[in-house]
Amino acid sequence: QSALTQPASVSGSPGQSITISCTGTSSDVGGYNYVSWYQQHPGKAPKLMIYDVSNRPSGVSNRFSGSKSGNTASLTISGLQAEDEADYYCTSYTSSSTWVFGGGTKLTVL
Amino acid sequence: EVQLVESGGGLVQPGGSLRLSCAASGFTVSKNYMSWVRQAPGKGLEWVSVIYSDGSSYYADSVKGRFTISRDKSKNTLYLQMNSLRAEDTAVYFCARLYCSSTSCYRYFDFWGQGTLVTVSS
Repeated sequence: QSALTQPASVSGSPGQSITISCTGTSSDVGGYNYVSWYQQHPGKAPKLMIYDVSNRPSGVSNRFSGSKSGNTASLTISGLQAEDEADYYCTSYTSSSTWVFGGGTKLTVL
Repeated sequence: EVQLVESGGGLVQPGGSLRLSCAASGFTVSKNYMSWVRQAPGKGLEWVSVIYSDGSSYYADSVKGRFTISRDKSKNTLYLQMNSLRAEDTAVYFCARLYCSSTSCYRYFDFWGQGTLVTVSS
């Protein structure tokens, strides 16, 4: 149950786009379309932003999008806003009927 | 409105036990998948355990044999019994729902509680 690999940090200026990668294996990310992404502000509970690789829950801005290629999933945030500054986590369902999270990525809006 | 409220956290000595509760409202715990996720201070999220609607359960290797997930239908509450606690179990513990419709159950955490802090220290 090794954690998925995410960059520790990314940054961008308001209005720009950024992409956060999430790399796993064929037993998790590559094997299922069950990758989801969560946003977490300090001291708060995580919030679902993307599910099943590329679907947005109701109420989540269309500036957030997800994709997957092979064993790597990606979260893209376009038109960066100050409120997007937060930690982002990917997670995937696994072949062991468990879940595994990425290590998290701190997004800084410059 | 869906709500999840965790309780039961606190300070416990290494080797001790603690039971966390997650009271749910706005949906039926036993008809959905429910999970525990933890976050050590200043660290990332770590999946801990899941209980499926059929009652089967799975655990992360780090807690297998020490933690037990369960639910009480009459109280609409999820539990996590934690035994043989270690310093590395210190974390905020979140409960989270994985929604099941009448036809399918989904593999993502759509609602989360605010968490309860467990500190394992002598």
